[in-house]
Amino acid sequence: GENVEQHPSTLSVQEGDSAVIKCTYSDSASNYFPWYKQELGKRPQLIIDIRSNVGEKKDQRIAVTLNKTAKHFSLHITETQPEDSAVYFCAPNQAGTALIFGKGTTLSVSS
Amino acid sequence: GAVVSQHPSWVICKSGTSVKIECRSLDFQATTMFWYRQFPKQSLMLMATSNEGSKATYEQGVEKDKFLINHASLTLSTLTVTSAHPEDSSFYICSADTGGTYSGYTFGSGTRLTVV
Repeated sequence: GENVEQHPSTLSVQEGDSAVIKCTYSDSASNYFPWYKQELGKRPQLIIDIRSNVGEKKDQRIAVTLNKTAKHFSLHITETQPEDSAVYFCAPNQAGTALIFGKGTTLSVSS
Repeated sequence: GAVVSQHPSWVICKSGTSVKIECRSLDFQATTMFWYRQFPKQSLMLMATSNEGSKATYEQGVEKDKFLINHASLTLSTLTVTSAHPEDSSFYICSADTGGTYSGYTFGSGTRLTVV
């Protein structure tokens, strides 16, 4: 099965700085690479995803980069804001199968 | 977009009793539903995969006789925690692959179970 590692486990940045979270996975068959944001007591919210035929995807301040050869993908948040503070999870998988979540990264953005 | 309605949002029950959690897909047919459990400050851990009309597949270490999953229709999957104990207190959440109807996965709003 999929073995997912996510780093760092905590990340503290100043407002306006950039934040990068990295996820490594083991299953070479994985072809779907999403990032989720979860606020306390709420459901995970998809913030960006990428499929295996694309190397990078950007949506305003958020971007995801994928390196299938090295089996890792990263979440990039630029110009961080206090409302970006949350727990972020990667969940690589084969599309249609269960999402396997990383252990999460707690991002704190201080103003 | 695809919506999964999960009920109840929170429940408190006494040790030894059973609790049923429902997840309904409102605007698509959920052939497969995934059930997760999340303890405080931890990640979402996959408990089981339920398929409409067949037995659920449980992850290693999850007791199938304790966590009963029923997926009798394309719009309803249920998780029953039987003989609940305080260590079963957790956040339970369902997820469905929206497949060809929409793209990606959609989550229920979660159920906070507290066993006293």
